[in-house]
Amino acid sequence: EAQVTQNPRYLITVTGKKLTVTCSQNMNHEYMSWYRQDPGLGLRQIYYSMNVEVTDKGDVPEGYKVSRKEKRNFPLILESPSPNQTSLYFCASSFKAGNTEAFFGQGTRLTVV
Amino acid sequence: GENVEQHPSTLSVQEGDSAVIKCTYSDSASNYFPWYKQELGKGPQLIIDIRSNVGEKKDQRIAVTLNKTAKHFSLHITETQPEDSAVYFCAASPPFGNEKLTFGTGTRLTIIP
Repeated sequence: EAQVTQNPRYLITVTGKKLTVTCSQNMNHEYMSWYRQDPGLGLRQIYYSMNVEVTDKGDVPEGYKVSRKEKRNFPLILESPSPNQTSLYFCASSFKAGNTEAFFGQGTRLTVV
Repeated sequence: GENVEQHPSTLSVQEGDSAVIKCTYSDSASNYFPWYKQELGKGPQLIIDIRSNVGEKKDQRIAVTLNKTAKHFSLHITETQPEDSAVYFCAASPPFGNEKLTFGTGTRLTIIP
């Protein structure tokens, strides 16, 4: 079954404690991206990757890092989380950046206290 | 870059009635317009899309219309059912594969039994 898998689904952490949210896809997609979803603001892109070892900032990259060492995995790293990063996060993958269907993971609900 | 505006932000309709969600976009080069449905606790999922060489596309109770001159497109859901309750996102992207999807801010649709 074609899918994008994120873990964990829920996470509560404290300010400043480094965390990683994992994302894996099994569709051999080149393009992967991370979004955050906040009420009234829709889906805002954090970082994206066009292919292995190729990553770039999206619209709201501050406070986040990513890596793409393998085609299937695209982890999101928060080196020093702050309360304003409390949000619902989605990983997505597709054959290319646009003009094609994006497949989303189930989401990670992050709370930073 | 592309800017997509979506209205309304919330919409309540009686079961069996029709629902319409509208989006406008800014980049006249955009030619791919998908709609995503996000059910509670899940990631967004593509329900229908349209490309600029087509004015309307239907899939059972769902239809999308596109007006390239006015740069707006709409999602129409007829004979609404309780399972249509969800958040809907529109998006737009240019024809070039390296240009990302830009999402609207979402519409929360509630079907009243």
